[in-house]
Amino acid sequence: EVQLVESGGVVVQPGGSLRLSCAASGFTFDDYAMHWVRQAPGKGLEWVSLISWDGGSTYYADSVKGRFTISRDNSKNSLYLQMNSLRAEDTALYYCAKGFHYYDSSGYYQYYFDYWGQGTLVTVSS
Amino acid sequence: QSVLTQPPSVSGAPGQRVTISCTGSSSNIGARYDVHWYQQLPGTAPKLLIYGNSNRPSGVPDRFSGSKSGTSASLAITGLQAEDEADYYCQSYDSSLSGPVFGGGTKLTVL
Repeated sequence: EVQLVESGGVVVQPGGSLRLSCAASGFTFDDYAMHWVRQAPGKGLEWVSLISWDGGSTYYADSVKGRFTISRDNSKNSLYLQMNSLRAEDTALYYCAKGFHYYDSSGYYQYYFDYWGQGTLVTVSS
Repeated sequence: QSVLTQPPSVSGAPGQRVTISCTGSSSNIGARYDVHWYQQLPGTAPKLLIYGNSNRPSGVPDRFSGSKSGTSASLAITGLQAEDEADYYCQSYDSSLSGPVFGGGTKLTVL
């Protein structure tokens, strides 16, 4: 059974830093790209970041580019999100999600999120 | 403002059929990127409901179906049940933003 367990969410002051972790089990972790997706209180889903299976490629939403860093340790089956220069608008439930990436019949590279963790809450407030 | 547009809410009586639309543009759904759907029950994490426009993961009842045409997609739920009351999100990829995008979500109320 696939399990994703996030941790590290706390209350932090604006401008502060935080590191989120996601422990993965139930699948071959280093075979899959991984993502962070967040959900502000009462709002919809927002993709945050993606890391390739080997950590060699990373991508970010414009809203976090330059402030957040995604990383992974395949020896520990773990995913991380280093969050710096935090702002009030970063307040959200942060989900770790396993990516399912594929090429369709026309050669388009696509992906979706086939498993999600339960989320960890980050609150940025003074 | 979400890149993909969904109605904020839909409702239906038990046993009825409801549909949820997801409208995009030429840089996402219209650019032949697939649409995927997620169900978020109250207080829980999202769960994959439909992938690749119309495919159901193992364990998802066949009451749920998806379709895509042009720059839009739809999720249909037949034989509505109380346990279907949840938020539903569509997702695709946007070539202009170079990343995945979500709809704003639709709250389904079972009357």
